[in-house]
Amino acid sequence: GAVVSQHPSRVICKSGTSVKIECRSLDFQATTMFWYRQFPKQSLMLMATSNEGSKATYEQGVEKDKFLINHASLTLSTLTVTSAHPEDSSFYICSAGTGTSGGLADTQYFGPGTRLTVL
Amino acid sequence: DQQVKQNSPSLSVQEGRISILNCDYTNSMFDYFLWYKKYPAEGPTFLISISSIKDKNEDGRFTVFLNKSAKHLSLHIVPSQPGDSAVYFCAASGPNAGKSTFGDGTTLTVKP
Repeated sequence: GAVVSQHPSRVICKSGTSVKIECRSLDFQATTMFWYRQFPKQSLMLMATSNEGSKATYEQGVEKDKFLINHASLTLSTLTVTSAHPEDSSFYICSAGTGTSGGLADTQYFGPGTRLTVL
Repeated sequence: DQQVKQNSPSLSVQEGRISILNCDYTNSMFDYFLWYKKYPAEGPTFLISISSIKDKNEDGRFTVFLNKSAKHLSLHIVPSQPGDSAVYFCAASGPNAGKSTFGDGTTLTVKP
């Protein structure tokens, strides 16, 4: 099946620094990628929809200036957590689909996730 | 307003028996439903899906049932195996939408 990778898998940073997380679709092109955040014992929370070549669409309550998303190519999207604080510590997951827009919702393939710890 | 609900946070089943995980939704526009399996510290992996034009989809030990009138779907795993122990997320999406709305997940424990 389709493979999505994330890098790094784990990152520890000091408060106030910025962290970049990469999401790559390895064997397919994804015009749209999604970024999720998972809180302990809670569901995946969609943060934003990343569209290749255009600005990301953020969900309500998500600070776009804090969580910068860049979809540079059809296989790469990045999430940058700017001026990270301890409350940003979480598990961040990206996903990408193989379908085309306009059809039935396609299956999402998820990256392995990135564990961010802000000290 | 949570549109996808998994009311059982946990489920414990004996190996070899059937596991039934339930999911309810409120948005009648949802027309595609998926189940994902997630191990700790890993991203979710796709398990099985069902379109609203069907009421059942089977893949090996996994079967998903959809009851549109009740806005309810369930995942049956039979026979259950210890390796099935994980968190199972139900997800739903509407037409032309790649993104999914997830339930809170059900932690399944299969005891040997």
